[in-house]
Amino acid sequence: EDKVVQSPLSLVVHEGDTVTLNCSYEVTNFRSLLWYKQEKKAPTFLFMLTSSGIEKKSGRLSSILDKKELFSILNITATQTGDSAVYLCAVGPSSNTGKLIFGQGTTLQVKP
Amino acid sequence: NAGVTQTPKFQVLKTGQSMTLQCAQDMNHEYMSWYRQDPGMGLRLIHYSVGAGITDQGEVPNGYNVSRSTTEDFPLRLLSAAPSQTSVYFCASSQTRNEQYFGPGTRLTVT
Repeated sequence: EDKVVQSPLSLVVHEGDTVTLNCSYEVTNFRSLLWYKQEKKAPTFLFMLTSSGIEKKSGRLSSILDKKELFSILNITATQTGDSAVYLCAVGPSSNTGKLIFGQGTTLQVKP
Repeated sequence: NAGVTQTPKFQVLKTGQSMTLQCAQDMNHEYMSWYRQDPGMGLRLIHYSVGAGITDQGEVPNGYNVSRSTTEDFPLRLLSAAPSQTSVYFCASSQTRNEQYFGPGTRLTVT
């Protein structure tokens, strides 16, 4: 059975801290791994990773994928209160369906 | 572009009632999906469609029906609502089979 597991489930930090969110997966015929941010409404897309070892960066956020060890991390440096959200990891199996399998999410709270 | 729209935003049903959650997208995307989100369980796929006239079951399809008569619309029908279907429902669409665009969600309560 395809499975995506995120850790930790919740995290509280102070502004300026650096955080690392983890996502491990077991899927047949992996195609891609995606990170989403969800703030009280619909998830919004952050990154998509398909190749191992390549880092994707956008400002203070970065992500890397390890296809051998079947995991990804999302790093957020110099956190701000606006980073408070649920971060979702999703994996797309290799098929012609557009299906995504989501992890449970990590709830990040950044305190001033 | 309006993107992905969902109606209604909120709904309260009594056990046994039926209703349809509407989803529409104006991006000409082939792929559309319905998810439900429950506390501590992330997003779970209910049904999905790879194009007009083609639908398939996801992870938690029981109690729900879908159809895709046009590229734009992908309604989700609850046949006989149960309290276990209390959840937030998201519709999503994509063109590349990867990045999905989500609608604003429908919060459904079944009493």
